[in-house]
Amino acid sequence: DAKTTQPPSMDCAEGRAANLPCNHSTISGNEYVYWYRQIHSQGPQYIIHGLKNNETNEMASLIITEDRKSSTLILPHATLRDTAVYYCIVRVVKTDSWGKFQFGAGTQVVVTP
Amino acid sequence: DAGVTQSPTHLIKTRGQHVTLRCSPISGHKSVSWYQQVLGQGPQFIFQYYEKEERGRGNFPDRFSARQFPNYSSELNVNALLLGDSALYLCASSLSLSYEQYFGPGTRLTVT
Repeated sequence: DAKTTQPPSMDCAEGRAANLPCNHSTISGNEYVYWYRQIHSQGPQYIIHGLKNNETNEMASLIITEDRKSSTLILPHATLRDTAVYYCIVRVVKTDSWGKFQFGAGTQVVVTP
Repeated sequence: DAGVTQSPTHLIKTRGQHVTLRCSPISGHKSVSWYQQVLGQGPQFIFQYYEKEERGRGNFPDRFSARQFPNYSSELNVNALLLGDSALYLCASSLSLSYEQYFGPGTRLTVT
């Protein structure tokens, strides 16, 4: 599986959009980009995933560059409860085989009042 | 709907002992994965099970073993505990192998 690079930390003001970058320059054509977050001492929480098109759900938006070498997770209106470690993961997805999630160090996001 | 549940929540064991951790997946999910998270690091993959068969294994010693039951619940066993096994052990379930995984709250294991 390809590896990802994320900034170790970033701050965001409450109510503003948080843009979390992720580089995955060696991503393969059959690898998806997943985002999870982990609030202190809890299990990771699934946020969103995508292959090549931009994706949006009730939690966030995922913007993947055309060459798929990087992506950005957007939290549109950050709240204090969004303070967490955010993980960007690339993963092979095949219908009848497994693709493990390889977590890196992630980005510690701190939302301030 | 109930999420992934794990038991116990916390556990303290002595070096050399054996431990069994339990996980119940989300209803309808047939795949369970186990991860180890040492303080300050991201979760590390240990095992993935699907339909009671091991379908993936991470770089962990043979002291670590797991199984999945007909009701899709799972156990993680660790023998001959070492101090370095102290960690948060996470269980995640998914509909099948290729779907996104949903994590439980974890079991905090302390080895003294």
